[in-house]
Amino acid sequence: QKEVEQNSGPLSVPEGAIASLNCTYSDRGSQSFFWYRQYSGKSPELIMFIYSNGDKEDGRFTAQLNKASQYVSLLIRDSQPSDSATYLCAVNLYNTDKLIFGTGTRLQVFP
Amino acid sequence: DTGVSQDPRHKITKRGQNVTFRCDPISEHNRLYWYRQTLGQGPEFLTYFQNEAQLEKSRLLSDRFSAERPKGSFSTLEIQRTEQGDSAMYLCASSLVAGSGNEQFFGPGTRLTVL
Repeated sequence: QKEVEQNSGPLSVPEGAIASLNCTYSDRGSQSFFWYRQYSGKSPELIMFIYSNGDKEDGRFTAQLNKASQYVSLLIRDSQPSDSATYLCAVNLYNTDKLIFGTGTRLQVFP
Repeated sequence: DTGVSQDPRHKITKRGQNVTFRCDPISEHNRLYWYRQTLGQGPEFLTYFQNEAQLEKSRLLSDRFSAERPKGSFSTLEIQRTEQGDSAMYLCASSLVAGSGNEQFFGPGTRLTVL
């Protein structure tokens, strides 16, 4: 079992819709959870992080964390074609500062 | 620009050659990380520093790889006797340890191609 799992996609949504990206993790010692956006050929860009159960909102983005079920999700409201990218989920374990990444979900927002 | 910078952005080398990459973190950040990313995969952790101390190294990091951060500012990653399997994007990130976020910000990466 991979430590961090994401559906590779592509996830296709129309412009203006809500995109829902999911991530599951295997280690219950995971402490913090991060979402990065990566455009093709570019480096990852931090969108937001969450470490408490529940929802955290930042503009059009909402991160949701459920530690009991070991999943974290990212909702993108009012999706735009410029949101088309690969979204990486990363997990920070309790006893280390390294991030463990999933393989990413490719999102396509079509006009 | 006050973000993480990396040099060079691209490197093409022949198998067996040594290469060295440089990373300059965000100025007030005391932690610096190296990751490697291949096509279709997420970044894989290689090593990280707090100030000049190297705190953790991945088992992926063979003895051909060495990283330094001599004065707790910039860092270098050297790969000796490169192999074709070393072809990847090498990413550097930095963070400021404060609270529980440990948000890591990535540089633009160095794309290595080993012929």
